[in-house]
Amino acid sequence: DAKTTQPNSMESNEEEPVHLPCNHSTISGTDYIHWYRQLPSQGPEYVIHGLTSNVNNRMASLAIAEDRKSSTLILHRATLRDAAVYYCILIDYNQGGKLIFGQGTELSVKP
Amino acid sequence: DAGITQSPRHKVTETGTPVTLRCHQTENHRYMYWYRQDPGHGLRLIHYSYGVKDTDKGEVSDGYSVSRSKTEDFLLTLESATSSQTSVYFCAISQASGGGKLFFGSGTQLSVL
Repeated sequence: DAKTTQPNSMESNEEEPVHLPCNHSTISGTDYIHWYRQLPSQGPEYVIHGLTSNVNNRMASLAIAEDRKSSTLILHRATLRDAAVYYCILIDYNQGGKLIFGQGTELSVKP
Repeated sequence: DAGITQSPRHKVTETGTPVTLRCHQTENHRYMYWYRQDPGHGLRLIHYSYGVKDTDKGEVSDGYSVSRSKTEDFLLTLESATSSQTSVYFCAISQASGGGKLFFGSGTQLSVL
């Protein structure tokens, strides 16, 4: 299974953009890049996913490098409610679609 | 919110007793997963299913078995619970199409004394 590498923790100020990086140098052509987040005492929550092109939704943007070996989750204006652990995960639906979580990045947001 | 229900939400049991956790979905999704989450280990995949009666092992499957006799139900069984299986257990579902979202349940807190 392809692995991802993320910083253990990051800090941000409220209402500022946040760029959460993820390295996945062994990604295969059929791996989708997914981002999930987990708020305290809750199950993980889907944020965004993509394959090759950059993606935007109401929660965030996903920027994928041209070689696909890295990606960045962008929160355009961090709020206190965005404080969570963010997981970058590769999923190959040709291999059963299972998610293997890494340690994730713990994001703290300061008022 | 996706229709996923985990039961029970909390359970306390004794070492050596069998325990079954249930995950029920109303979305007719093909894939279902069981994860456990422990401090310092993050989320680890126990077993997953890619269809009725089709299951496979994850990262930490020892001591656990699963069954999926209907699309909507995925059962996780601890045949003889041990204290090391004290954890929070999450069920997740996803559609069959490539790149689909995963939806997680609210979790089951299991304590084995």
